[in-house]
Amino acid sequence: AQSVTQLDSQVPVFEEAPVELRCNYSSSVSVYLFWYVQYPNQGLQLLLKYLSGSTLVKGINGFEAEFNKSQTSFHLRKPSVHISDTAEYFCAVRIRGKLQFGAGTQVVVTP
Amino acid sequence: GAVVSQHPSRVICKSGTSVKIECRSLDFQATTMFWYRQFPKQSLMLMATSNEGSKATYEQGVEKDKFLINHASLTLSTLTVTSAHPEDSSFYICSARVQYEQYFGPGTRLTVT
Repeated sequence: AQSVTQLDSQVPVFEEAPVELRCNYSSSVSVYLFWYVQYPNQGLQLLLKYLSGSTLVKGINGFEAEFNKSQTSFHLRKPSVHISDTAEYFCAVRIRGKLQFGAGTQVVVTP
Repeated sequence: GAVVSQHPSRVICKSGTSVKIECRSLDFQATTMFWYRQFPKQSLMLMATSNEGSKATYEQGVEKDKFLINHASLTLSTLTVTSAHPEDSSFYICSARVQYEQYFGPGTRLTVT
């Protein structure tokens, strides 16, 4: 069985502060890992992905994530958030061609 | 970049009627498209996988006779919700895969009254 766990359902953060969104997965096979962002009433936009190679992955909008195989984690970070980063963030793993999503983390950035 | 469109973006229909949602890959060809359903403040649940020219593969618990999927070409997939009921009200999102990436449409908000 495989699953994706996002440990925080909501993360409040002040503008220009750093943020970390946690994601853990379980899988008996190799996986590809993704982070997506969803703005209200919109589809998903890919932030970054890990397929292989360097465990530190840089994505769009200043986000980065680190793949940790031993801890089966793929946490997302941004050193300084903007108001526009307020959105829902989904971690996902692709196994046998299908994406499995975590429950999502709502990031609320306040001035 | 790869763009996926959906039409309509919002639809309201009466209980018992059918609704068709279109998903198009605008600047690329997609042999595989996916349909997801998302309830408010919840994650995306995969409904079915469609491959061009063949029957869709539905996830467990998804009624294939209720949610008809047609992948007629490499750029178009349609989802038809037949005999819609209020419990079918949801946000439906399609996605098209290119190699290792999936690109998502903007979603369709279906409300059944």
